[in-house]
Amino acid sequence: DVKVTQSSRYLVKRTGEKVFLECVQDMDHENMFWYRQDPGLGLRLIYFSYDVKMKEKGDIPEGYSVSREKKERFSLILESASTNQTSMYLCASSASPFGQGTRLTVV
Amino acid sequence: AQSVAQPEDQVNVAEGNPLTVKCTYSVSGNPYLFWYVQYPNRGLQFLLKYITGDNLVKGSYGFEAEFNKSQTSFHLKKPSALVSDSALYFCAVRAPTSGTYKYIFGTGTRLKVLA
Repeated sequence: DVKVTQSSRYLVKRTGEKVFLECVQDMDHENMFWYRQDPGLGLRLIYFSYDVKMKEKGDIPEGYSVSREKKERFSLILESASTNQTSMYLCASSASPFGQGTRLTVV
Repeated sequence: AQSVAQPEDQVNVAEGNPLTVKCTYSVSGNPYLFWYVQYPNRGLQFLLKYITGDNLVKGSYGFEAEFNKSQTSFHLKKPSALVSDSALYFCAVRAPTSGTYKYIFGTGTRLKVLA
């Protein structure tokens, strides 16, 4: 059964911390995506990657960076976490599937 | 600008009745269109997609969607709703950008099926 795995379901971090969210897919897809989901705003694209070491900004990249050193792994990095980055983060591989999500709370 | 609109924040329907969740899009070129469902505290699950061919697409759990090019719509439908269909539904379109593609999502529609 093909799938996308996000490393954590729930995270609580302090303001100013550097945060790593990991996503791994087992389908050999070129395209991987990071979204954040907020009530009333739907899913907004943060970054995506169409190949190893290749990345492209989505609609809301500010405050985030990404890393894709291997095809199966796509990491989202919050350089200095802030309270407005409290959200649900979803990783996807191509159009499907999605990971189960990471609910990040920044305090 | 490329976009997806889900005009209804919430749709209520009685169990056994037909349901429709609306989606319209604006994208250059031929669209690839998708529907996803999200249950509480879960990621998104793929329901169905339209790429080309028959305008009526059948998907998982008895759902179907109709692509209407002239109305730029891709409404999700089910002939007979179940209480277990209650969830958050997202429409999405694949849009070209900078030589590759990204997916644009609507804001979601919460479906409540009442027993």
